[in-house]
Amino acid sequence: GENVEQHPSTLSVQEGDSAVIKCTYSDSASNYFPWYKQELGKRPQLIIDIRSNVGEKKDQRIAVTLNKTAKHFSLHITETQPEDSAVYFCVESGTSYGKLTFGQGTILTVHP
Amino acid sequence: DARVTQTPRHKVTEMGQEVTMRCQPILGHNTVFWYRQTMMQGLELLAYFRNRAPLDDSGMPKDRFSAEMPDATLATLKIQPSEPRDSAVYFCASGSNYGYTFGSGTRLTVV
Repeated sequence: GENVEQHPSTLSVQEGDSAVIKCTYSDSASNYFPWYKQELGKRPQLIIDIRSNVGEKKDQRIAVTLNKTAKHFSLHITETQPEDSAVYFCVESGTSYGKLTFGQGTILTVHP
Repeated sequence: DARVTQTPRHKVTEMGQEVTMRCQPILGHNTVFWYRQTMMQGLELLAYFRNRAPLDDSGMPKDRFSAEMPDATLATLKIQPSEPRDSAVYFCASGSNYGYTFGSGTRLTVV
């Protein structure tokens, strides 16, 4: 079945530094990889996604990379700001009718 | 912005009582998910529907949980009887193939 491993579980950076979160997945048929940000007490919100026919995608300070051969994908946040502090989830979606399988989450803390 | 609406936002109930959570997906979305979130287990998929048909409910305890979509504008998740271990935040999400949107969740406390 589908499985997503996410690392690290916690990440602490200084404002302005970069943050990288990595995930690996097991289902080689997975073809859609969104990332969600969840602030304390709020709902998960989609921040960026990538599909299997693309190796990299960027949106302002956020970028995702995908290596289908190695079955891993990463989230990169540059010039971090305190408001980036949240829990970030990687997700994979494969052939099971679009079912979303979440990683365990990374608690990102950006110190001013 | 279009929203997924969940009710109630908070629910406190006694063990053994029936709990019903409701979700109104975004108009036009044909896929609806129910997730449960706890500190220990993270986000767990309970059930999901496509075009109102249940596709996978393997993550749901069948003896006490049930999920339905009586029509395209309403999804329900029912727990009967509820137990303290069911205390969690229950999220509904809707979408069409890609780009799923979550509701604000129902925070359930079973005492």
